[in-house]
Amino acid sequence: EDKVVQSPLSLVVHEGDTVTLNCSYEVTNFRSLLWYKQEKKAPTFLFMLTSSGIEKKSGRLSSILDKKELFSILNITATQTGDSAVYLCAVVIQGAQKLVFGQGTRLTINP
Amino acid sequence: DADVTQTPRNRITKTGKRIMLECSQTKGHDRMYWYRQDPGLGLRLIYYSFDVKDINKGEISDGYSVSRQAQAKFSLSLESAIPNQTALYFCATSDSWGVYGYTFGSGTRLTVV
Repeated sequence: EDKVVQSPLSLVVHEGDTVTLNCSYEVTNFRSLLWYKQEKKAPTFLFMLTSSGIEKKSGRLSSILDKKELFSILNITATQTGDSAVYLCAVVIQGAQKLVFGQGTRLTINP
Repeated sequence: DADVTQTPRNRITKTGKRIMLECSQTKGHDRMYWYRQDPGLGLRLIYYSFDVKDINKGEISDGYSVSRQAQAKFSLSLESAIPNQTALYFCATSDSWGVYGYTFGSGTRLTVV
């Protein structure tokens, strides 16, 4: 059974802190890993990772994939209250082209 | 206009009623998906469709059915709603390779009482 596990499930930090969110996976046929941010309703796309060791960066957010150890991390530096959201990790299954999601990490940034 | 539109946005229905959730897209994508989201469980796949004639069950299809009326339209039906189908439902689309990720609709919050 394909499985994606995120940790921690919940995290509360102060504005300005740096956070690291984790995503590990066990799937039959890996194609790529996606990170999404979900604030109110629809998840919005952050990153797609396909190759190991290549960091993707967008402003204060960055992410990297380790295909040998089967995990990815999402880093957010100098956090702001607007970063408060649920962060979802999902793996695209090759062939089926469907997403398998982790449970999500609820991140709360306090001023 | 949104790329992926779901209707209704919110719905309360009674146990045993039939209900349909609708999804339409202007992305021109072949692939469409229905997910449900429950607290602490992430998003789980109900059904997905690669084109009008190709419908596939996801991990939690029991109690649901779908119809792909056209490339742009994919509807989800609950034949006889039950309370544990109370959830947030998302429709999503992707291109044939999923290269650019998935585009999600804004969701339908369904409550079954």
